[in-house]
Amino acid sequence: AQTVTQSQPEMSVQEAETVTLSCTYDTSESDYYLFWYKQPPSRQMILVIRQEAYKQQNATENRFSVNFQKAAKSFSLKISDSQLGDAAMYFCAYRSLTTSGTYKYIFGTGTRLKVLA
Amino acid sequence: GAGVSQSPRYKVAKRGQDVALRCDPISGHVSLFWYQQALGQGPEFLTYFQNEAQLDKSGLPSDRFFAERPEGSVSTLKIQRTQKEDSAVYLCASSLFGGRASETQYFGPGTRLLVL
Repeated sequence: AQTVTQSQPEMSVQEAETVTLSCTYDTSESDYYLFWYKQPPSRQMILVIRQEAYKQQNATENRFSVNFQKAAKSFSLKISDSQLGDAAMYFCAYRSLTTSGTYKYIFGTGTRLKVLA
Repeated sequence: GAGVSQSPRYKVAKRGQDVALRCDPISGHVSLFWYQQALGQGPEFLTYFQNEAQLDKSGLPSDRFFAERPEGSVSTLKIQRTQKEDSAVYLCASSLFGGRASETQYFGPGTRLLVL
């Protein structure tokens, strides 16, 4: 079974600085998707960035980028020029193809990011 | 609608009561997912619908949990004879097509269930 591990329960970053959130996963599949989701205190999950496993190029979305190391099964999120609005829980997620042919996410336990003014 | 909505936002139930949680997905979205998020944890998959068909219910923790989407739009998650361990936030998500791995899921705000 696939697993997703986020080993940093909480991280802090100064406003305008850069922070990296770690995520490792375990799978025997060769093709899959990885995601980072943001969950602000209002609890509505928002997609931050996604990575297709068969693409070697790391995904980038404005201030957010990933470092995808497929062999190491590592998928970290880098937030540049951190803003107060980045404060939230961040979840790493793996998109699994189940035997039933449908897709479900497997989430990590999350990292709470605090942004200090 | 503009986004996924869920109701009620908060529900307090006495142990043994039945509860029903509603999800209104984005109009036209084919796929609908339910997740359970315990305090301090990430969401855990419960069940998946493609239109009105429930294609995956492998995450439902017991036969007390039942979900339906009879007309392929609104979905209801029902929990019978609630137990304290059912206390969690229940999240609903929808996506446009039928299960493409690349699709973005759009999440609702969740229903926080507290069983006393």
